Amino acid sequence: DAKTTQPTSMDCAEGRAANLPCNHSTISGNEYVYWYRQIHSQGPQYIIHGLKNNETNEMASLIITEDRKSSTLILPHATLRDTAVYYCIVSVGYRDDKIIFGKGTRLHILP
Amino acid sequence: DTGVSQDPRHKITKRGQNVTFRCDPISEHNRLYWYRQTLGQGPEFLTYFQNEAQLEKSRLLSDRFSAERPKGSFSTLEIQRTEQGDSAMYLCASRAGQGDYEQYFGPGTRLTVT
Repeated sequence: DAKTTQPTSMDCAEGRAANLPCNHSTISGNEYVYWYRQIHSQGPQYIIHGLKNNETNEMASLIITEDRKSSTLILPHATLRDTAVYYCIVSVGYRDDKIIFGKGTRLHILP
Repeated sequence: DTGVSQDPRHKITKRGQNVTFRCDPISEHNRLYWYRQTLGQGPEFLTYFQNEAQLEKSRLLSDRFSAERPKGSFSTLEIQRTEQGDSAMYLCASRAGQGDYEQYFGPGTRLTVT
């Protein structure tokens, strides 16, 4: 079973920041937080991952709470192309050889 | 474009027929994964290979399913005696190897069993 809890769906206005929450209260010390997204009719796409510190790349920012029991994925300026299902996953990373997906959050970007 | 390709993209078959799907991973990626995704659900892990060795199989992978990666490059997933419950999207992913965190997914093969 997935080790994370996410809202089923969220809306965000185009151009605004989209903040997607994820709870992972049972995360272990050696587990990373990963985010993938899946645009309709495509395979999942890696977005970002982190262990303890906040991370940022060209797609998004990942904010992890100090106790590591929850995190937030931030898309700073959402566009219509960001409409997708977003999956939050915990994994030991390169040693873990499968991804356990939950149902994710369906993000709708509104024009 | 992730670089992982799958063929065919769509397959319609009658119950009881055998089907085979192919996955070509990103060149030099030694790890290859198969997942299955049904409508409204996240992808479910089926099996994975490191080079030509099949290292793990999910209990979802019944005896009717077999996967191969004969030369450590492309992989095939065969389903024998298909059932309507096999209708799903079959996704392939690859990863460079130990130390690489990201799995790169292909576009999937959508199977419909009538």
